[in-house]
Amino acid sequence: QSALTQPRSVSGSPGQSVTISCTGTSSDVGGYNYVSWYQLHPGTGPKLMIYDVNKRPSGVPDRFSGSKSGSTASLTISGLQAEDEADYYCCSFAGNYNFVFGGGTKLTVL
Amino acid sequence: EMYLVESGGTLVQPGGSLRLSCAASEFTFSNYGMTWVRQAPGKGLEWVSYISNNGADTYYADSVKGRFTIFRDNAKNSLYLQMNSLRAEDTAVYYCGRNGGGFDYWGQGTLVTVSS
Repeated sequence: QSALTQPRSVSGSPGQSVTISCTGTSSDVGGYNYVSWYQLHPGTGPKLMIYDVNKRPSGVPDRFSGSKSGSTASLTISGLQAEDEADYYCCSFAGNYNFVFGGGTKLTVL
Repeated sequence: EMYLVESGGTLVQPGGSLRLSCAASEFTFSNYGMTWVRQAPGKGLEWVSYISNNGADTYYADSVKGRFTIFRDNAKNSLYLQMNSLRAEDTAVYYCGRNGGGFDYWGQGTLVTVSS
């Protein structure tokens, strides 16, 4: 199972919006509405930010939103804040209880 | 507050074995499927294995199939990963995660280093 494709890095200034893409195939992202997004700060465990493409867990700010079109999912962060600087990973169900992650995107808040 | 705490990571020689543990608290452990995910140094996250809530169903990434075994003890609120025939490429921080709509809770991870 090949990793999902994410941009290596994105950046934005405080208050701006950024979008991180996650491209897979019809066997994963395109085939199921089970895409999730994780925030990873150095030295800490991952934090779930979005699940089932566009659902937000309690406690996650509504500045974070998810969407999907075909085999590409996207995470949009609006009103960027300094604490949003982290690595972000997408993950998709790939059938038969297999999961595949993206390569990760480093978000820099300028 | 819910907790997942991994343990058991250490330095091990190639070909060796290791068992990781994940202790869960403050939720009904037996109601949830559980997952192991790893992150090699400088690399991204990689899904390793999943076990259903009652332990009846298990699934593995191709990279570990036949070498790793996931199992759980619901009476002890614990998840395990038995790792055999370890290779240098298994070096990573291993995280346990709860399957509750995405992987909704994670531990802090435990480092496994495979080296001679």
